[in-house]
Order: sequence, then structure tokens, then C-alpha cells
Amino acid sequence: NAGVMQNPRHLVRRRGQEARLRCSPMKGHSHVYWYRQLPEEGLKFMVYLQKENIIDESGMPKERFSAEFPKEGPSILRIQQVVRGDSAAYFCASSKQGPGGQTNTEAFFGQGTRLTVV
Amino acid sequence: AQTVTQSQPEMSVQEAETVTLSCTYDTSESDYYLFWYKQPPSRQMILVIRQEAYKQQNATENRFSVNFQKAAKSFSLKISDSQLGDAAMYFCAYRSDYGGSQGNLIFGKGTKLSVKP
Repeated sequence: NAGVMQNPRHLVRRRGQEARLRCSPMKGHSHVYWYRQLPEEGLKFMVYLQKENIIDESGMPKERFSAEFPKEGPSILRIQQVVRGDSAAYFCASSKQGPGGQTNTEAFFGQGTRLTVV
Repeated sequence: AQTVTQSQPEMSVQEAETVTLSCTYDTSESDYYLFWYKQPPSRQMILVIRQEAYKQQNATENRFSVNFQKAAKSFSLKISDSQLGDAAMYFCAYRSDYGGSQGNLIFGKGTKLSVKP
């Protein structure tokens, strides 16, 4: 059973380009979370998605950032017109269950995508 | 809003010795989960141990144990018989058990642990 798969591991973009980060959750997991880690910092929550729905995007910048988790295929975090401040490691995590009273859940993390904006 | 504080940016321990990493948190909720994650240089986030707030008994996983003090909102990690492979960043994290965002974790800034041979 493969873990959470993120690709690419490393991504270099010039200022103004678009960055697309992909995340395939663990088999059987229908909930995906994206986090951003700046250098020397902990992970910061960005967005929580279920299949075809955004549940919580309170941590995601209002402009240039978007996320989706289609019925088929991986979850995508998209950053348009990247700036140097977007350089960070972006982590995806998935879990089997979400809100609704089910408390015995655990999120498994991918290895992250390190985005460098030059 | 909940916050997680790790007051030790760096710690060092001799191989085979014991080290304790500190974590405090702030919340008005009564039901939640606490976690310690390890992040080695590979960047992979590895779950070390977790604690349910409703459980009074401290969680243990082999050489790793926690001291959970709910009233003091303290959640420290003890690593016994430290090994070279324990060297990593350690993050304390909080997760609510309420509302529509049960899954998202709130992380502290981390403690960098070095292990001396």
C-alpha cells in the first residue's frame, strides 16, 4: 500500500509562472490537506478537501492560490504568477475519515514538494 | 484560536541518554488530539506518538513517551536511550475534535534535536 505520493519533489519556477503541485492520497483515503512550510518554521495549514469539495480553505491566500480534488485523479495545488515569497516546502496529507464524529483518524504525510521561485 | 508553542529551538543529547522536548498549547476546547512528528533531513513527516485529550494515561511508543498535563496545557516528549537516528526536527501539533476541520493540524515551530555519539 503506497503512501501519500507527491510530485514533483522539487520544482523551480521563474517569477510570474504557474506552479502545479500534485498529491495522490493513500488508497482508501478521501480527505486531503495541504500545508506550507517556510524555512525554519512549522507547517501551516492551507486547505482541506474531500472529493470534489473544498471543506476549509481558511489558511490559503485569497489570490493566486487554488486547490482541487477531482473525482478522479490527484489533488492539485495551483499557484499562479508565483513570487519569491512562495518559495517553500508544500506538504500534502491524507486521512481516511473526516468530520462527523469519527475521532480515531490519523493523517499521513507525503514527502513534500520544494518550490523554489527564481 | 489554538496555538502551539515549542520554546526550545534546539536541543542536544548524548547517545543512550534521555532527553525531554517541551510543548505547550492554548485552547478553550476540551476534546482534541496532540501529536509529536519527527522530520528528518529527508523532510518526510513521521508520526512519533499521539495523545487523546480525554485519556488520562500518558501515551508511550517504545522509547518515546509523553507527559500530558491537561490542566497545564503541556505535552512534553521524552526520548529514552537516544539513538543517532533520532536526530531530526520534532514538531508538536494540535488537532481539534470539533467543527468542519477536524483534520487540520496546528504545528509548533519545532525543536531541532542533535544526538552526539
